[in-house]
Amino acid sequence: DTGVSQDPRHKITKRGQNVTFRCDPISEHNRLYWYRQTLGQGPEFLTYFQNEAQLEKSRLLSDRFSAERPKGSFSTLEIQRTEQGDSAMYLCASSPSGRDTDTQYFGPGTRLTVL
Amino acid sequence: AQSVTQLDSHVSVSEGTPVLLRCNYSSSYSPSLFWYVQHPNKGLQLLLKYTSAATLVKGINGFEAEFKKSETSFHLTKPSAHMSDAAEYFCVVAEEGTNAGKSTFGDGTTLTVKP
Repeated sequence: DTGVSQDPRHKITKRGQNVTFRCDPISEHNRLYWYRQTLGQGPEFLTYFQNEAQLEKSRLLSDRFSAERPKGSFSTLEIQRTEQGDSAMYLCASSPSGRDTDTQYFGPGTRLTVL
Repeated sequence: AQSVTQLDSHVSVSEGTPVLLRCNYSSSYSPSLFWYVQHPNKGLQLLLKYTSAATLVKGINGFEAEFKKSETSFHLTKPSAHMSDAAEYFCVVAEEGTNAGKSTFGDGTTLTVKP
């Protein structure tokens, strides 16, 4: 399968712990996006990368959140000192360069539960 | 700034009858518009995309959407619903230019198909 993959698919953690999620985009897609989706709502933009450069961060992304894409391929999203309000589905998407750069392909998501 | 309003949070139809999911958008630019579908416990799947080539866009699984600039609408339709169409549908507007791909999602419409 050459789609976007995310790992883990599910994560249960205790409040105050740190968690890290990984996203592998479609090969050769130079843009990578992170979204958060809570129950009953649409995904909300968190941040995105073009190659290894992080171009924009949403104000939703507090100081406890950090994202990296060190070599322009996979990306990680880390949440430090998790809170119950962080419980959500975290979605990753990628898009190609060129005319279709606005067309995003989504991974299956990582569901985070903070106890 | 851009925004999306999905006018119905829930739509229920009988199998074999038409489907109409309504979406209005707001964008400072000529927008890129999308519809995505999310089946339970599955990732977001692209249904169709509007650029500026044609106002009537055909997507997968028999879905279509019509872009009406005067009404700032992008409603999704299907002539005959199938049980497998039951899912969550999201209308999405994407930025252009340097932020191409950064997307704003509506809150979603849950489609129920009755036998």
